Amino acid sequence: DVQMTQSLSYLAASPGESVSISCKASKSISNYLAWYQQKPGEAYKLLIYSGSTLQSGTPSRFSGSGSGTDFTLTIRSLEPEDFGLYYCQQYYEKPLTFGSGTKLEIK
Amino acid sequence: QVNLLQSGAALVKPGASVKLSCKASGYTFTDYYIHWVKQSHGKSLEWIGYINPNSGYTNYNEKFKSKATLTVDKSTNTAYMELSRLTSEDSATYYCTRERDNNYYFDYWGQGVMVTVSS
Repeated sequence: DVQMTQSLSYLAASPGESVSISCKASKSISNYLAWYQQKPGEAYKLLIYSGSTLQSGTPSRFSGSGSGTDFTLTIRSLEPEDFGLYYCQQYYEKPLTFGSGTKLEIK
Repeated sequence: QVNLLQSGAALVKPGASVKLSCKASGYTFTDYYIHWVKQSHGKSLEWIGYINPNSGYTNYNEKFKSKATLTVDKSTNTAYMELSRLTSEDSATYYCTRERDNNYYFDYWGQGVMVTVSS
């Protein structure tokens, strides 16, 4: 199985700052990577797919980059509603696998 | 708008089975695969498998092949997942998701249903 590693389990930042969340695959997955956001009491939300393509409705302050094994989700100028949990998921091969999540909290 | 409405929380005894439901609305049910994902408390997400609502074809993560059974009822636009021979390891929140355009990632998620296995 492809192991997805999000090295930072927790990240604290202030509104207005920019943050980057990394995700590393145990083998090359090309750009078959999606990012999701989870907020308490809300359904998971697809933010980015194909490594860098914004899902309809995802604010432009979000961006994704990377291919192969290393990927990054960047959020510019954090808004209060951006705080929550972020997960990466590879869909290069089955079984589909997810990173362990990064919790983004308000500093 | 697309909505995946999952059944309520379940408390079940060890060794029993439970059948979870996921009612889809806002789109043509048979046009999109439904996947199921497990999230144990405080842990990450595990993919269980998917079903093609049109054909009934299923594909499972090997880890869950003897645990989960996926079915659909096209007449009610509802997907089901039955979990059998439950143990404490099956206590978790389970999500149904809609696959986006045959790409194995998920554009809509249900709200999740918590299953607790306890005597």
